Amino acid sequence: KAGVTQTPRYLIKTRGQQVTLSCSPISGHRSVSWYQQTPGQGLQFLFEYFSETQRNKGNFPGRFSGRQFSNSRSEMNVSTLELGDSALYLCASSLAGNGMEAFFGQGTRLTVV
Amino acid sequence: EDQVTQSPEALRLQEGESSSLNCSYTVSGLRGLFWYRQDPGKGPEFLFTLYSAGEEKEKERLKATLTKKESFLHITAPKPEDSATYLCAPQGGYNKLIFGAGTRLAVHP
Repeated sequence: KAGVTQTPRYLIKTRGQQVTLSCSPISGHRSVSWYQQTPGQGLQFLFEYFSETQRNKGNFPGRFSGRQFSNSRSEMNVSTLELGDSALYLCASSLAGNGMEAFFGQGTRLTVV
Repeated sequence: EDQVTQSPEALRLQEGESSSLNCSYTVSGLRGLFWYRQDPGKGPEFLFTLYSAGEEKEKERLKATLTKKESFLHITAPKPEDSATYLCAPQGGYNKLIFGAGTRLAVHP
C-alpha cells in the first residue's frame, strides 16, 4: 500500500513569488492536513480538509491557502513568499481525522531566497 | 490555550540503558494523544495513539502510557537505531495535531 506522497521534494523560490505544493494521501483516506515545520517554531498546524471542505484552520496569514479535490488529493498554495516561509511543509493523511491515526509524507523543503 | 511541553529536550543514553520521555499537555476537546518518531530530513513516523487515561500501548522497545494531563514514552534497553526525535501530539479538533518541541534521543553503543 503506497504511503503519503508529496511533490516536489525540494523547491527554491524568490521572495514575492507564489508556490503550490501537492499531497496525495493514502488510498481510501479522505482527510488531509498540512503542517509547517521550522527549527524555531517546530511543527505547526496549517489546515485540514475532508471531502473537499476545510474543517479546521491554524493561525497562519491568508497568504496560506489550500484545497482538496474529489480524489482526496490536496494542494496548498503560498502567495507573496517571504523569507520566513522557508520550512519543511508536511501533509498528513487520515481515514477521517478526528482521533484516527494520521500518517505523514516526507515533506516538501521550501527555501525562499 | 492549548499547550504541549515535552521533557527532556535532549537525552543521551548508553545502549541498553532504559529511560522515559515526558509529555505534559493542556488541550481542549482531546480526541487522542499521538506519538511520532522523526529522523532528520524525514516526515514523522507514526508510533501510537492513546485515547483514554490508563491506556498503554507497546511496540518493540517502546511503551506509551496516558494520564489525564501527561503521557510517557518508556524506552526499554534502547539500541542505536532508536536514536531520533520523539514527538508528542495531542489532537484537538478535526485532525489538528498540536505538537510539542520533541525530545532528541541519542543512543550510543
